[in-house]
Amino acid sequence: NAGVTQTPKFRILKIGQSMTLQCTQDMNHNYMYWYRQDPGMGLKLIYYSVGAGITDKGEVPNGYNVSRSTTEDFPLRLELAAPSQTSVYFCASSYSTAGQPQHFGDGTRLSIL
Amino acid sequence: KQEVTQIPAALSVPEGENLVLNCSFTDSAIYNLQWFRQDPGKGLTSLLLIQSSQREQTSGRLNASLDKSSGRSTLYIAASQPGDSATYLCAPANFGNEKLTFGTGTRLTIIP
Repeated sequence: NAGVTQTPKFRILKIGQSMTLQCTQDMNHNYMYWYRQDPGMGLKLIYYSVGAGITDKGEVPNGYNVSRSTTEDFPLRLELAAPSQTSVYFCASSYSTAGQPQHFGDGTRLSIL
Repeated sequence: KQEVTQIPAALSVPEGENLVLNCSFTDSAIYNLQWFRQDPGKGLTSLLLIQSSQREQTSGRLNASLDKSSGRSTLYIAASQPGDSATYLCAPANFGNEKLTFGTGTRLTIIP
């Protein structure tokens, strides 16, 4: 059982470039989340989705976009990469919100130079 | 706005000792609280989830307690092992929006 799979694991971008971070889960979870983790800081929620076709902003959504066309996939898009977006990005999923644990992928380490 | 504090930021103990990790949060209106483990270069693994109506939750050598009224949770690890070395994070789920607020974690090192 793969769980939550994130690709790529590492990426270096130049300022102004765009890219998509991929996230797939095989647990048939309705809820999916994108977080970023910066050194010395707690994880911050970027976007989340409660089901296919439904997404909403989290705490730090600026500079990012998401879509949820299927239950399994929840890609995160950076349109114009900025140095402030250098971070480790984690995707997570859960069957529901309250009362259910979140399952995390291994993360994507992104550097913007 | 919920704020979560975990003190100390780092802790080293000899193998075999029992230890307690602390988590405090400012808003007691929570659905539940999760404790996670994060190994270097890896994602988070959920260890225990305590519902707001519970006082304790146990899994093997781990025991988590919750005192919602005082805004505190503890993670007790019995008979520590080198494999327990990791960063431990707590995250209450906020009542109303059900989103997790993460602490910055305690980096635990078990000395063989």
